[in-house]
Amino acid sequence: AQKVTQAQTEISVVEKEDVTLDCVYETRDTTYYLFWYKQPPSGELVFLIRRNSFDEQNEISGRYSWNFQKSTSSFNFTITASQVVDSAVYFCALSEAGNTDKLIFGTGTRLQVFP
Amino acid sequence: DTAVSQTPKYLVTQMGNDKSIKCEQNLGHDTMYWYKQDSKKFLKIMFSYNNKELIINETVPNRFSPKSPDKAHLNLHINSLELGDSAVYFCASSQFTGPQETQYFGPGTRLLVL
Repeated sequence: AQKVTQAQTEISVVEKEDVTLDCVYETRDTTYYLFWYKQPPSGELVFLIRRNSFDEQNEISGRYSWNFQKSTSSFNFTITASQVVDSAVYFCALSEAGNTDKLIFGTGTRLQVFP
Repeated sequence: DTAVSQTPKYLVTQMGNDKSIKCEQNLGHDTMYWYKQDSKKFLKIMFSYNNKELIINETVPNRFSPKSPDKAHLNLHINSLELGDSAVYFCASSQFTGPQETQYFGPGTRLLVL
């Protein structure tokens, strides 16, 4: 059965620190997709990135980077030089080729960045 | 120019009432979804519709009935509201149906049942 684990419930850092949010997934499919979403205090869900299981290249977008490692079933998210505006709950999610379009979410990691 | 919109944003009601939440997307997407986020922030899919047809129904009580008058709208009607229905309900849409599709979420509707 598919599952997404975000073991870090809450992380607190001071501005300008780097922080990594962990995501470990379980799936039996060889074709699957991984996502990260951000939920700021205002409550909306903002799409950050999608990765397919055949593309293990790491991705960087500004201060954000993602490390996808199939060997450890992990899709970790790093924020470099964190800012107060990065404070949010971050969700990792998984969808599988054999499971239509159902997104399975992790329980989220609350990141608090203090000035 | 909001992509996925929901109304109302907040909904406070008494147990036993019937209420509806509306969702509209102006992205031209074929597929729409409803998710429920509970008090612990856990997000779970409830329904998905592709071009007005039901694709996923995740063992949601039949007090919840989605209605899709056209592919740009997916409304959620809830009968006989219960305390446990208190949650944030998110509508989402994706261009097509499939696991590779990115789902774009609305702002959420905060439902409180008293």
